[in-house]
Amino acid sequence: GAGVSQSPSNKVTEKGKDVELRCDPISGHTALYWYRQSLGQGLEFLIYFQGNSAPDKSGLPSDRFSAERTGGSVSTLTIQRTQQEDSAVYLCASSSDGRPETQYFGPGTRLLVL
Amino acid sequence: KQEVTQIPAALSVPEGENLVLNCSFTDSAIYNLQWFRQDPGKGLTSLLLIQSSQREQTSGRLNASLDKSSGRSTLYIAASQPGDSATYLCAVCYGGSQGNLIFGKGTKLSVKP
Repeated sequence: GAGVSQSPSNKVTEKGKDVELRCDPISGHTALYWYRQSLGQGLEFLIYFQGNSAPDKSGLPSDRFSAERTGGSVSTLTIQRTQQEDSAVYLCASSSDGRPETQYFGPGTRLLVL
Repeated sequence: KQEVTQIPAALSVPEGENLVLNCSFTDSAIYNLQWFRQDPGKGLTSLLLIQSSQREQTSGRLNASLDKSSGRSTLYIAASQPGDSATYLCAVCYGGSQGNLIFGKGTKLSVKP
């Protein structure tokens, strides 16, 4: 079956521009996670959606970062006024209800801010 | 602060060798621990999941152990192959209801033919 998909796979943007990254989770998975992997760093948790509950935004690094999940499925991570330090791989994962520890990861979006 | 550390950062071995990757975590009150594999340009693949009540898990040539009290886990790879070359990530989950993972920086493994 289809796994987690992310688009675009690569994104190059200029400093100060806004970018939107998309994640399509596995059908039926109620939990969705965003992570960031900067060069030489481990994966950093950003935000977590579970069903209709309020999202856990505790990992968002600044108010330039926001995410939405429409209809309990597709999610968009938006970075406003991008900075060079935002360059990283952004990974999305989803998991089925009741098994939050088993996350299936997408291939990631590689963001480069010039 | 909950941190996960992986040693070594990089490892190069000849094909056929057995090897051990290490992971340590600062807060021993974990819910579970996972080992992932990450290939360039691809997402993460879960290799082994150890619940906090377990001591080890095995899958094929892979064996992962967990010592919660000392805050350590090891991933043992037997008879390594060039196809094992990848970055191996250790991740700890501290809350079953929340489920976000705390990752180490990974060990980049290269197996030479």
